[in-house]
Amino acid sequence: QVQLVQSGAEVKKPGASVKVSCKTSGYTFTTYHIHWVRQAPGQGLEWMGIIKSDGVTTLYAQEFQGRVTMTRDTSTSTVYMTLSSLSSDDTAVYYCVREREITFYFDYWGQGTLVTVSS
Amino acid sequence: QSALTQPPSVSGSPGQSVTISCSGSSNDVGRYNRVSWYQKTPGTAPKLIIHDVSNRPSGVPDRFSGSKSGNTASLTISGLQAEDEGDYYCNSYTSTYTYVFGTGTKVTVL
Repeated sequence: QVQLVQSGAEVKKPGASVKVSCKTSGYTFTTYHIHWVRQAPGQGLEWMGIIKSDGVTTLYAQEFQGRVTMTRDTSTSTVYMTLSSLSSDDTAVYYCVREREITFYFDYWGQGTLVTVSS
Repeated sequence: QSALTQPPSVSGSPGQSVTISCSGSSNDVGRYNRVSWYQKTPGTAPKLIIHDVSNRPSGVPDRFSGSKSGNTASLTISGLQAEDEGDYYCNSYTSTYTYVFGTGTKVTVL
């Protein structure tokens, strides 16, 4: 069965970076894009960016450009999202999300990773 | 890219129908039939309920339906049930090859 299992909760200080992992299984890793979506407390869903199935092409929402990096390790079918220069506004649950190539919708979601930014 | 606009809340009694609008622009909702809808309940990850404007994935009840007119997409829940309570978000592909979510709508079953 398809699974996207994310790393555990993190607590970071302002200005630090966080790296969240998303280990996938149950499908052909190289034929799906992975997106990252976040939800801050009491707020809506926010699309952050995508790392495409080729593992090279990335596209980030303008709000995060320069602060976010998405990478992957094909040998372990794991995708990573690194967000730097954290502020309290980055406190949120971060989700990795799967999209089959050229379908433009998200069919499986990770369980979410809570990142708390606090001094 | 600004979030797509949804009403903050809608409500209805069991058995009634409710419709949630998702207003975008000619650069997203109006340009592509790549609108999807997600249901989110507290403590759980969002669940896909509609893709490509009006297509239901396997396992999603047929009381959920989607449509689009111009720059506005809509989700209708017919025969509202208590289990339909939650937050609903639309999403669209955009002309800059990115994606954008709606502001979210809380559905309450009275």
